[in-house]
Amino acid sequence: DAKTTQPTSMDCAEGRAANLPCNHSTISGNEYVYWYRQIHSQGPQYIIHGLKNNETNEMASLIITEDRKSSTLILPHATLRDTAVYYCIVSPLNTGGFKTIFGAGTRLFVKA
Amino acid sequence: GAVVSQHPSRVICKSGTSVKIECRSLDFQATTMFWYRQFPKQSLMLMATSNEGSKATYEQGVEKDKFLINHASLTLSTLTVTSAHPEDSSFYICSAKGQGAREPQHFGDGTRLSIL
Repeated sequence: DAKTTQPTSMDCAEGRAANLPCNHSTISGNEYVYWYRQIHSQGPQYIIHGLKNNETNEMASLIITEDRKSSTLILPHATLRDTAVYYCIVSPLNTGGFKTIFGAGTRLFVKA
Repeated sequence: GAVVSQHPSRVICKSGTSVKIECRSLDFQATTMFWYRQFPKQSLMLMATSNEGSKATYEQGVEKDKFLINHASLTLSTLTVTSAHPEDSSFYICSAKGQGAREPQHFGDGTRLSIL
């Protein structure tokens, strides 16, 4: 079973920041938080990952709480092309054999 | 960024046919590759994990004789759906993970398999 819980769906206005929450209250010390998204009829796309510090890249920012029990993915200026299902996944830092289990994700609708 | 190529993107074939799907990491070496299937409006379901040069590890409920996985090199894994039937119709997605422990998975664009 997935170790994360996310809201089923969210709406966001185009040009505004989209903040997608994720709860992972049973996360272990060696587990990273990964975010992926899946646009309709495509394979998932990697967005960002982090352990305990906040992370930023060209796509998004990841804010992880100090106790690491939850995180928020931030798309700073959402566009219509950001409409997708966003998956938050926790996975151990292993060299092999770990599984990436997908939960239901959050369906983000970006509206004009 | 890292690119994973999956081929074919769509297959339509008759019941009883075996179908092979290829997954290639184009610009990195993938020590581990994963195969998922996805039904409409559902999340991805992990089928199996394969490491180069060794037998795949299948998830519970996935028939290894039905879904043959070969990971012969660090850049290629194949999934063969043997004697496919209509209930095998689904969206099959592969992913590949680079050699660094912290590396994320990179996904192919999926193969839509339709069995008539």
